[in-house]
Amino acid sequence: DGGITQSPKYLFRKEGQNVTLSCEQNLNHDAMYWYRQDPGQGLRLIYYSQIVNDFQKGDIAEGYSVSREKKESFPLTVTSAQKNPTAFYLCASSSSLAEGPYEQYFGPGTRLTVT
Amino acid sequence: DAKTTQPPSMDCAEGRAANLPCNHSTISGNEYVYWYRQIHSQGPQYIIHGLKNNETNEMASLIITEDRKSSTLILPHATLRDTAVYYCIPRAGGFKTIFGAGTRLFVKA
Repeated sequence: DGGITQSPKYLFRKEGQNVTLSCEQNLNHDAMYWYRQDPGQGLRLIYYSQIVNDFQKGDIAEGYSVSREKKESFPLTVTSAQKNPTAFYLCASSSSLAEGPYEQYFGPGTRLTVT
Repeated sequence: DAKTTQPPSMDCAEGRAANLPCNHSTISGNEYVYWYRQIHSQGPQYIIHGLKNNETNEMASLIITEDRKSSTLILPHATLRDTAVYYCIPRAGGFKTIFGAGTRLFVKA
């Protein structure tokens, strides 16, 4: 089955620790995205990547880092510099941005709790 | 990006049509209207999109007014599994897909 996988579904960390969220897609999509969702709110864009080895900051990139070494993978690291890391994190992918707009396909999400 | 106005919540009886309105009066000529939905604690799911003409797929129908200032998503026979938050998103090319608060649809038995 083609799709996007995120792991783990639930993640618990102590304050001050960095944590990496996994996102993998087998849709052969060029573009990948990370969003954050807080309770009762819409989605906010953290980072996006149009192509391997390239990525750009979204609206709320502070305290986060990403890498895009492979087309299929776009891991997100939540660093200790992120002041309010507890949230629901969603990864998405789409066909090339250059000829958009294309619909985005989302993974199931990772719920991160930092105490 | 065009601003959108959607009712915060709506109810629908199971088996009836659910009509979800969206106002996007500032939409520009190159912006499509996209609809997504998000079932509780899951990732958003793409439903349908359109530019000028009405569109239909296996999930829903999209009716766009002639002046393109508003649209309506129609779920023809709502089921309990259609209970979700529905997002109306005007979008041109590029990376930004702005998810606002959406409409929380409750389908009741």
